[in-house]
This record gives sequence, structure tokens and C-alpha cells, in this order.
Amino acid sequence: DVKVTQSSRYLVKRTGEKVFLECVQDMDHENMFWYRQDPGLGLRLIYFSYDVKMKEKGDIPEGYSVSREKKERFSLILESASTNQTSMYLCASFAGTGVTEAFFGQGTRLTVV
Amino acid sequence: GEDVEQSLFLSVREGDSSVINCTYTDSSSTYLYWYKQEPGAGLQLLTYIFSNMDMKQDQRLTVLLNKKDKHLSLRIADTQTGDSAIYFCAESPGGYNKLIFGAGTRLAVHP
Repeated sequence: DVKVTQSSRYLVKRTGEKVFLECVQDMDHENMFWYRQDPGLGLRLIYFSYDVKMKEKGDIPEGYSVSREKKERFSLILESASTNQTSMYLCASFAGTGVTEAFFGQGTRLTVV
Repeated sequence: GEDVEQSLFLSVREGDSSVINCTYTDSSSTYLYWYKQEPGAGLQLLTYIFSNMDMKQDQRLTVLLNKKDKHLSLRIADTQTGDSAIYFCAESPGGYNKLIFGAGTRLAVHP
């Protein structure tokens, strides 16, 4: 059973804290993604990575950074959390070729207070 | 640029057909996708269509693609309460390993 696992389902952090969201996949996928999901806005791409140590900015990278030191793990970092980063964060991975069947984690609901 | 648009809400009666519509802008996408998100879960691939096809049928699901108008639709026949979810249209722009999603259509099925 394929799996994308996000480290936390719910997080509450204070404004200004550094926040780490972790994602691990067990399918040996090259591509990994971080999206945020907000009502009425759908999924917006924050960052993606198509290989170890490689990263690309998505549509809304400001205020975020990422790390991919190992193929199976992709971390999203909020350098200094702000209230407008309160959202649902979804991690996804997929293989490099063919039909893009992305596998998603359950999501992390982050609240910044 | 890349943009995918869809209406936000659809309500149907159980047993009726549902039609969810989507428009996209990037004509280079090789495949177009429909993903489903059930409450409290991540997204799952529901179906997809190759860009040189007009129609694809998979049991209760029918996908129609009008490439000229960049319009994609998903029809669910005999809609059931278990079909209540958010449905996302997505494209994968040519040459890029990424998915661009629409805002999602929340389908509510009532008795």
C-alpha cells in the first residue's frame, strides 16, 4: 500500500516561530510537492523537488523554504510563522514519467496564533 | 500562464447525474485529471484523459474534453451520497513535472 506520511495532522504555533513540516514517501518517487489548501482557492503550489537536493519555487514560495536531503523526505520550513500562513498543508509525490498519479498525504492543519 | 478554473459548489439529488465543469489555459498538457478529496483526507486520482481524446468512460464516470475551448467536464451517473466530496480538475503543463489544480468543486448529494 503506497504511502505519503505527514508528520502531524494538527499543529498550533506562535507568530514568529520557525516551523518544520515533514513528509515521507515510500514509493521511491522522484517528484515531491508541497501545496497549501485554502477554501475557495484550491491547492496552490508552494515548492516542489524533482530530485535529491533539487528544489523549485511554485506559485507562492514567499515565507517558505524546503529541504530534500534524502529521496524519501521533503520538508517544508516556515522561517517565521505568520497568521496568514494558517492553512491546510498537503504533501504529494509522484513518479517521473507517464500519467501523473500524485499520491497525497493526509494533510497538516497548521494554525498560527 | 497556467490557470485552472471551476465552479465552487454543486448540489444534486441522489440518483441524478452530476456534471462538474472546468476550464484550463495551458494547451500543452498531455493529460488532464480529476482528483477527489473526501472529508479529512488527501486527494486521490479519480480519472484522467489523454489530450488527444474527446471522451473517456469508466463505469459511472464520463470525462469529456473539448480541446478547442479548453474545457473539461466530469459526469457522474447515478450520483450517490458516497460521491459527496470535493472534485479537483488538474493539468500537467508540458515539459514540467508538476500539477496545477483548480479551486475544487464541492459536490453535495441530498436525498
